[in-house]
Amino acid sequence: EVQLLESGGTLVQPGGSLRLSCAASGFTFRDYWMSWSRQTPGKGLEWVANINSGGYKQDYVDSLEGRFTISRDNAKNSVYLQMNSLTVEDTAIYYCARSGVPGAFDYWGQGLLVTVSS
Amino acid sequence: EIVLTQSPGTLSLSPGERATLSCRASQSVHNTYLAWYQHKSGQPPKLLIHGVSSRATGIPDRFSGSGSGTEFTLTISRLEPEDSAAYYCQFNGGSFGPGTKVEVK
Repeated sequence: EVQLLESGGTLVQPGGSLRLSCAASGFTFRDYWMSWSRQTPGKGLEWVANINSGGYKQDYVDSLEGRFTISRDNAKNSVYLQMNSLTVEDTAIYYCARSGVPGAFDYWGQGLLVTVSS
Repeated sequence: EIVLTQSPGTLSLSPGERATLSCRASQSVHNTYLAWYQHKSGQPPKLLIHGVSSRATGIPDRFSGSGSGTEFTLTISRLEPEDSAAYYCQFNGGSFGPGTKVEVK
């Protein structure tokens, strides 16, 4: 059974940093692209970043302006999202997901709440 | 960058009716990487359709996708109360559209 388990969410002050983790199981992790998306309060889904199976190609939504970095460790079956210079607008539920079919995310984690507040 | 728009913003229908959701791309999509998701509050999004018209594993045939170029459609025939959710289109594993909220009551 495919499982994605996010961790690392918490309350952080504006300007702070946070690293989210997503542990994968039930599939051959190194064979799949992985992604992070988020849902902000009262708003829709926003794609945040993708990383290819080997970890050497990353894509980001333009609005992040270089504040977030996606990475992975295939030996640990994990994908990460390093978030810097956080603002209140980054408050959201963050989801990791697997890209198991071309151009789409077929399995999602349960989501992780990140609150940016003073 | 391709921008997706969705209409209508909200759709209120009765059980058994048909829902037609639209997703429009800002420029013609030459590959078939258009997907649809269902998102209920408190749950992760669920992949319904990928590749414009291929149903994801376990998705009932009440859900169907179609379209090409810049115009894509998700059709839910025979609505059921549990279909109440937000529905999002996505292009090529990137940005999502703004969503359509479907209320079935």
